Amino acid sequence: NAGVTQTPKFQVLKTGQSMTLQCAQDMNHNSMYWYRQDPGMGLRLIYYSASEGTTDKGEVPNGYNVSRLNKREFSLRLESAAPSQTSVYFCASSSRTGRETQYFGPGTRLLVL
Amino acid sequence: AQTVTQSQPEMSVQEAETVTLSCTYDTSESDYYLFWYKQPPSRQMILVIRQEAYKQQNATENRFSVNFQKAAKSFSLKISDSQLGDAAMYFCAFETSYDKVIFGPGTSLSVIP
Repeated sequence: NAGVTQTPKFQVLKTGQSMTLQCAQDMNHNSMYWYRQDPGMGLRLIYYSASEGTTDKGEVPNGYNVSRLNKREFSLRLESAAPSQTSVYFCASSSRTGRETQYFGPGTRLLVL
Repeated sequence: AQTVTQSQPEMSVQEAETVTLSCTYDTSESDYYLFWYKQPPSRQMILVIRQEAYKQQNATENRFSVNFQKAAKSFSLKISDSQLGDAAMYFCAFETSYDKVIFGPGTSLSVIP
């Protein structure tokens, strides 16, 4: 099993450009999450999806949109990238919400110039 | 507000020795889960250990154990017989009843041969 996969691994954007980060899991998990990781701040939740067809805001949702395309896939979109969105982005999944262990993807490093 | 604090940004330990990483959290909930995740230089997030707040017995996983003090809202991680492969960033995390996981800022652990 591949677990949680993310594409791309690394991306450079100019301010104002848009892009979509892709995430897929093959563990039949119901819940999926998007985090960003910045130095000294740990991981902060951007959006999460408790089940197919539902999405909810996390701690830092501004400037992002998400789509739970199906049970396997959960994408994160930056409509107009800003330098403050330079970060490492992690996707995660768990069998259900409510205190289950999360499985993380390898991360996407995004640089916005 | 629910928060997770890791007061030690950096720690070091001699190979084969024991080290304890500190974590405190703040919540008004009585039922919750706590986690320690490890992030090696590869950036992959790996679950180390999980503790259910309603269980008084401290969780253990091979060389990793926790000291869970619910009244003090403390959740420290003890690594025994430290190995070079234990060198990583360690994150304490707390999962709320609202299905959100809050991460601490992390502790960078170095293992000295």
